Amino acid sequence: NAGVTQTPKFQVLKTGQSMTLQCAQDMNHNSMYWYRQDPGMGLRLIYYSASEGTTDKGEVPNGYNVSRLNKREFSLRLESAAPSQTSVYFCASSEGGRGVGTGELFFGEGSRLTVL
Amino acid sequence: DQQVKQNSPSLSVQEGRISILNCDYTNSMFDYFLWYKKYPAEGPTFLISISSIKDKNEDGRFTVFLNKSAKHLSLHIVPSQPGDSAVYFCAAKRQSGGYQKVTFGTGTKLQVIP
Repeated sequence: NAGVTQTPKFQVLKTGQSMTLQCAQDMNHNSMYWYRQDPGMGLRLIYYSASEGTTDKGEVPNGYNVSRLNKREFSLRLESAAPSQTSVYFCASSEGGRGVGTGELFFGEGSRLTVL
Repeated sequence: DQQVKQNSPSLSVQEGRISILNCDYTNSMFDYFLWYKKYPAEGPTFLISISSIKDKNEDGRFTVFLNKSAKHLSLHIVPSQPGDSAVYFCAAKRQSGGYQKVTFGTGTKLQVIP
């Protein structure tokens, strides 16, 4: 049981380059999320998708775009990378939906991105 | 606006003793609180949660206490073990537009000394 799978695990970009982080979950979860982790800042929500076909901005969406390709997959795109986007990125999923739940998230292993 | 705050960046505890990690929040709309554990080079993993209508939840060596009047929660680990050394994130969930939104604190790095 793979859970949440992210690719790539490591990436080095030059300023201005573009790239896409891929995420897939096999738990049939409704909701998916992209977070970034920076020292002293904790985990900050970039974008989320409450259900297939919907996406919404989180706390720090500037410079990013997302696509909920289907129920399993949620990708994060950097159109023109900047050094400020150097971070560790985590994809997560949850049962979500319009029900009351605990908010338990299942995370991938992370993608470490360096922008030079 | 940091709605979930962990004011201690780090904590060191001797093996076998109690570890107490603290968290404060500001938003009264949170209905669940969670603790996650994170090892280096891995994603966070869920540890324990508590509903806003409870004041205590226990799971083995881990107990979470919630004080709603003070908007404060704490995680107790008894007894602490070296394998507990990790970063612990406090998180809080609220329903927003019918969907769940989870906000994280900045984390506390726990070191359990053998």
